[in-house]
Amino acid sequence: DTTVKQNPRYKLARVGKPVNLICSQTMNHDTMYWYQKKPNQAPKLLLFYYDKILNREADTFEKFQSSRPNNSFCSLYIGSAGLEYSAMYLCASSKYSQNTLYFGAGTRLSVL
Amino acid sequence: TQTVSQSDAHVTVFEGDSVELRCNYSYGGSIYLSWYIQHHGRGLQFLLKYYSGNPVVQGVNGFEAEFSKSDSSFHLRKASVHWSDSAVYFCAVSLASSSFSKLVFGQGTSLSVVP
Repeated sequence: DTTVKQNPRYKLARVGKPVNLICSQTMNHDTMYWYQKKPNQAPKLLLFYYDKILNREADTFEKFQSSRPNNSFCSLYIGSAGLEYSAMYLCASSKYSQNTLYFGAGTRLSVL
Repeated sequence: TQTVSQSDAHVTVFEGDSVELRCNYSYGGSIYLSWYIQHHGRGLQFLLKYYSGNPVVQGVNGFEAEFSKSDSSFHLRKASVHWSDSAVYFCAVSLASSSFSKLVFGQGTSLSVVP
C-alpha cells in the first residue's frame, strides 16, 4: 500500500479556472515532487520541494505553482487551466540523497 | 541532457515465458539507473537501481537488470513471468552528482502476460 496519498483521484476543470491538487506523505520525507504524465509520454518533472525550498523546472516555471505548508503536505496549483493541462499528475516523495522515489496513485485532470 | 529510450511500447508474452524490457540512455557522466513498475490504477513502485559495482542488479519479484556501459543500456529481465507482472514498466536515469531524485523517465513499456 502506498503511503503517498493524492486527492482527488479524478478532477474535472473548466478552461480558465484554477485547479488545486493535493498530496500527502507519512514517511517524513524531506523532498516532494510533482510530475506530469500524458498518454504515450514519459513522466515529466514539473517541480519539487526540498524542505521549504521550491525548485521549478525551467520550462514550467510560470505555469505551475506549489506550496508546502508542512512536511507532510504539498499542493500543485494551476491558476488558469488550459486544455493542454489535461494529464495525470503524479506526486512523489523521497529522502534527501536516497535516489528512490515513492509515488502516489496520481490525479487525473481533465480540462474541458 | 539526459534521455531515456524504451524502444518497445508494448510487449506480450505467455505466462511462464521469459521477458526482456529494453532501456537505452544517453548521458556521459555518473548516473543512477532504475526501473519502476506501475500496475493499473496504482502509483509507480520502485523495482531496482544501479549505480556501480556488479552490473547485474536484483530487484523484487524475480526481476533483474543488467547495466552495459558500452551499449548505454539497462535492460530489465525476468526468467518466468506471472500474470500479475502485467503492468507498465518505466526506466529512469538521474545524476549521481545531485542529491535530489530528479528522475528522467522513459515513455514506458506496457507488459501483458497472457495466461
